[in-house]
Amino acid sequence: ETGVTQTPRHLVMGMTNKKSLKCEQHLGHNAMYWYKQSAKKPLELMFVYNFKEQTENNSVPSRFSPECPNSSHLFLHLHTLQPEDSALYLCASSQEMDISYEQYFGPGTRLTVT
Amino acid sequence: GQNIDQPTEMTATEGAIVQINCTYQTSGFNGLFWYQQHAGEAPTFLSYNVLDGLEEKGRFSSFLSRSKGYSYLLLKELQMKDSASYLCAVRDSNYQLIWGAGTKLIIKP
Repeated sequence: ETGVTQTPRHLVMGMTNKKSLKCEQHLGHNAMYWYKQSAKKPLELMFVYNFKEQTENNSVPSRFSPECPNSSHLFLHLHTLQPEDSALYLCASSQEMDISYEQYFGPGTRLTVT
Repeated sequence: GQNIDQPTEMTATEGAIVQINCTYQTSGFNGLFWYQQHAGEAPTFLSYNVLDGLEEKGRFSSFLSRSKGYSYLLLKELQMKDSASYLCAVRDSNYQLIWGAGTKLIIKP
């Protein structure tokens, strides 16, 4: 248990579906992150929120839409995804963004787009 | 561009020592992290280096040479539970983490 939870753990969706991934951290951290992890590839940073404000959007397609209603919760809304979006989506948090604190990761959501 | 290189896979024997190397080319440097990730699980923090030298933490040690853009993770007295992927990540001048693709370590009895 890292103090970061993600739901669902597994998700299969069609290309026309709309779904959301949820992340919650119980660590009192101020920064939260969404990563995409594909097999044998480096972690890809998708979005960063610092004190509930989005600070990074690394050229992520608009079919991925993040939401951070408070510093403990982070969502990733998905719509009209493509098969190449199938991957493990990891949420992470850290005490702050700009200082060299380590990140704590959730277990991830294994997404399959059919 | 920014790049982190580490071997794709390594094999070692239970009880032995293994060294996993990581070389990096990044725009600026604000620290290097090592994470462990067991199959199907979340990455977990192992070590952090920001100054040159060796940081020891139990069976695991991490070394950094900033002038060479090089780090290694040293695992001693290997146990079967050490079978996992080991991820190297560098924080660049914008404080973004740049990740390597990970090294899958296989431990054999």
